Amino acid sequence: EAGVAQSPRYKIIEKRQSVAFWCNPISGHATLYWYQQILGQGPKLLIQFQNNGVVDDSQLPKDRFSAERLKGVDSTLKIQPAKLEDSAVYLCASSLIGTGFSPLHFGNGTRLTVT
Amino acid sequence: DQQVKQNSPSLSVQEGRISILNCDYTNSMFDYFLWYKKYPAEGPTFLISISSIKDKNEDGRFTVFLNKSAKHLSLHIVPSQPGDSAVYFCARSGTSYDKVIFGPGTSLSVIP
Repeated sequence: EAGVAQSPRYKIIEKRQSVAFWCNPISGHATLYWYQQILGQGPKLLIQFQNNGVVDDSQLPKDRFSAERLKGVDSTLKIQPAKLEDSAVYLCASSLIGTGFSPLHFGNGTRLTVT
Repeated sequence: DQQVKQNSPSLSVQEGRISILNCDYTNSMFDYFLWYKKYPAEGPTFLISISSIKDKNEDGRFTVFLNKSAKHLSLHIVPSQPGDSAVYFCARSGTSYDKVIFGPGTSLSVIP
C-alpha cells in the first residue's frame, strides 16, 4: 500500500512569513495526526482528526497555527506568522482507528527552517 | 502528568551483542506502550507494542519487557545489527481517541 505522503520535504522561510504543509494519508485511514518534532526531542502532537472532526488540538498554538482536513482525506497545516521557534520537522501520520492498538504510520515529514 | 522518559540520549553497542533501551513513565493509566524506530530524514516506523496487561512481547530479534510496579519498560535487541542504528522512541497510548505520547528518543549506534 502507498504510504503517507507529505509535501514539501523542505521549506525555508523568514520569520513573520506564512507556510503551509500538505498531507495525504493512507487510503482508508480515518484518523490523521500532525506532530511537531524539534531537534533532540520526541514528536509532539499538534492536532488529531477523526474523519473531518478534531479530536484533540490542545497543544496547537491557535494564534498562529491552523489545520483542516478536507472531506476526511487530505489535510493541510498552516503557520501564520512563523516564528524562529517553529523551526522543526512537521510529521503527518494516519491510523486505521483512533485507538492505541492501531499503530501510527508516518510520512517522511517536512523540515521547516525559519530564519 | 503523562510523561514518557528516556534518560539515555545515546547508546553504542558492538554488532552481535545485546542492545537494551530503557523507558520510564509517570502515569499508570495507559493501555499500550509502543516502540518506534526512526532513520534520518524518514518518519518514525512502528516496531513493537505491549499491552499493559502483559509483561513481555517478542517479535524476532526484538523483545519488550514491561515492569508495572517500577513503571519501566525496556526494548531488547538480540543480536544487534548495524542496520539497527537509528533513534528509538518509546511511546504510550490509551484507548479510543487518546493521543500517542512520545519520549525524547535514544540514538542507538551498532558498531560493526
